[in-house]
Amino acid sequence: SAVISQKPSRDICQRGTSLTIQCQVDSQVTMMFWYRQQPGQSLTLIATANQGSEATYESGFVIDKFPISRPNLTFSTLTVSNMSPEDSSIYLCSVGGQPQHFGDGTRLSIL
Amino acid sequence: GQSLEQPSEVTAVEGAIVQINCTYQTSGFYGLSWYQQHDGGAPTFLSYNALDGLEETGRFSSFLSRSDSYGYLLLQELQMKDSASYFCAVVDAGNKLTFGGGTRVLVKP
Repeated sequence: SAVISQKPSRDICQRGTSLTIQCQVDSQVTMMFWYRQQPGQSLTLIATANQGSEATYESGFVIDKFPISRPNLTFSTLTVSNMSPEDSSIYLCSVGGQPQHFGDGTRLSIL
Repeated sequence: GQSLEQPSEVTAVEGAIVQINCTYQTSGFYGLSWYQQHDGGAPTFLSYNALDGLEETGRFSSFLSRSDSYGYLLLQELQMKDSASYFCAVVDAGNKLTFGGGTRVLVKP
């Protein structure tokens, strides 16, 4: 299965700032997704990262808040913009169809 | 949209058998997946059912009944390392996953 590297693994940020999370895969993949896992909760899909076109966002998530880039088939970034304490979560990228494989996640805390 | 229901917590002893049920309501369904997540870790894939019936992978088995919108994950010969959260997830046509709330399994000696 693909090896997925996410950076940073964790960060503590000030409210009002933005953070860009990187997801690097060791092989070309067609399907890449971004999920959020709030403390003690399940995973919620934020968006599908499409190579060469705009990401497809799920209900409740908007591009201005979570801009996503997918410049090629091995890399994607998720930016969490204008952060507030409610954005404190684990953000995970995943790749593949069935099964999906997840990165280790980025643990984000907003002060 | 999708909604999934699974028990929030299950406790069992080593060597026991645990069944985690998952019921779902969905507007688009291709299959049901199960993932395991240890505290502080990433979700890892356990099994996938697209058709009715039982899929067996070692100590873990998964079952699906599409007509009943129901599935379960069976954990046999429980080991301490099986203490984790288990998530069922509906898979749609675009391979997007909608997760249930998760079941925390605690294995006691």
